Amino acid sequence: NAGVTQTPKFQVLKTGQSMTLQCAQDMNHNSMYWYRQDPGMGLRLIYYSASEGTTDKGEVPNGYNVSRLNKREFSLRLESAAPSQTSVYFCASSQASGTSGANVLTFGAGSRLTVL
Amino acid sequence: EDKVVQSPLSLVVHEGDTVTLNCSYEVTNFRSLLWYKQEKKAPTFLFMLTSSGIEKKSGRLSSILDKKELFSILNITATQTGDSAVYLCASPISDYGNKLVFGAGTILRVKS
Repeated sequence: NAGVTQTPKFQVLKTGQSMTLQCAQDMNHNSMYWYRQDPGMGLRLIYYSASEGTTDKGEVPNGYNVSRLNKREFSLRLESAAPSQTSVYFCASSQASGTSGANVLTFGAGSRLTVL
Repeated sequence: EDKVVQSPLSLVVHEGDTVTLNCSYEVTNFRSLLWYKQEKKAPTFLFMLTSSGIEKKSGRLSSILDKKELFSILNITATQTGDSAVYLCASPISDYGNKLVFGAGTILRVKS
């Protein structure tokens, strides 16, 4: 019963390097999300995918791109990492919008990224 | 701009104490408020509140919503060290379907 799986758990990058965070869910959820968490700021939405084939920007999308590869997988890419992107990243999923479970997110364990 | 504000930002109590965590919100077309508990890793869901005055309860935790005054509280009675965590509240953002805006969280530490 894996739920939401993120990889890698930890990553250290140099400024300007690129990387992709992978996320997969096995709950047959329609919606998937990427959040970042910084001290004192709670969770902030980076990108959102309501369903396979659709993506939408959240509060803090600059410097990121996403791909909803299929219903299970939603990846987050940093094309040219900056120190301001040092954070803990969480992937989450939920049932489709309009359903009773739409707002109940299931989160992955997080990916701690440091950009030097 | 939709926002959720939590207070206090941090709290230290002793085992057995009762604590009350606060969450106020300003959300256009408000639909619900959710509470999550975050220990070392992923936030886990606690409660979802949609109606004023109806308490949700799970063991020693309970929560209630006041839609007139635009706030919610999370109560924890007879606290235990295992209650130490960050408690987050969140609400769906009106312009983004079922995306959530989160408060900054309350860090609770329960001392033995």
